[in-house]
Amino acid sequence: SQQGEEDPQALSIQEGENATMNCSYKTSINNLQWYRQNSGRGLVHLILIRSNEREKHSGRLRVTLDTSKKSSSLLITASRAADTASYFCATERSGTYKYIFGTGTRLKVLA
Amino acid sequence: GAGVSQSPRYKVTKRGQDVTLRCDPISSHATLYWYQQALGQGPEFLTYFNYEAQPDKSGLPSDRFSAERPEGSISTLTIQRTEQRDSAMYRCASSPGRGSGANVLTFGAGSRLTVL
Repeated sequence: SQQGEEDPQALSIQEGENATMNCSYKTSINNLQWYRQNSGRGLVHLILIRSNEREKHSGRLRVTLDTSKKSSSLLITASRAADTASYFCATERSGTYKYIFGTGTRLKVLA
Repeated sequence: GAGVSQSPRYKVTKRGQDVTLRCDPISSHATLYWYQQALGQGPEFLTYFNYEAQPDKSGLPSDRFSAERPEGSISTLTIQRTEQRDSAMYRCASSPGRGSGANVLTFGAGSRLTVL
């Protein structure tokens, strides 16, 4: 498989808590993106971080990237029940437009 | 179009039949992707196009799978002699494809294939 790996595979938290999920990948990249998927529906883009960036924020989302460790993390602060979904990282391989997705983290936020 | 359109949304076929799935990307987008997604798994890369060129088809599982984008817009994914293991959601995505490292993918709703 060409997929990257994410952990945890599943995460269950209470509303208002923070959720952290991690992504590891294997090759040099141009950028890394995070996508959300609700109940088997289409994937929706959340945030993009370039290979020369270390941290990025968007609303309640915070992404970090460590290219030396080939890893990234997504933090969702003050989670809501509506954040319940699967989250996937996707890496764009250097010199290509090829995107490889991770295995995903299934997040459940309990009201 | 305004979004990425895929058809059919659902396809049920018998083992051994050929199937063709269609993707109509956002009209201004140069790059088009095909992914296969099994239930509870992440999308697995199949192939991508930059306009009509197909730089990478390394993810196609076997020579029964082929894709084309002859005029650099609409793309088709064809599976010949389908097998039960081909049952999955097939997702198409497109992106602007211009400018290094800034390509956000817009996904279609997918085509769910069931091979009996």
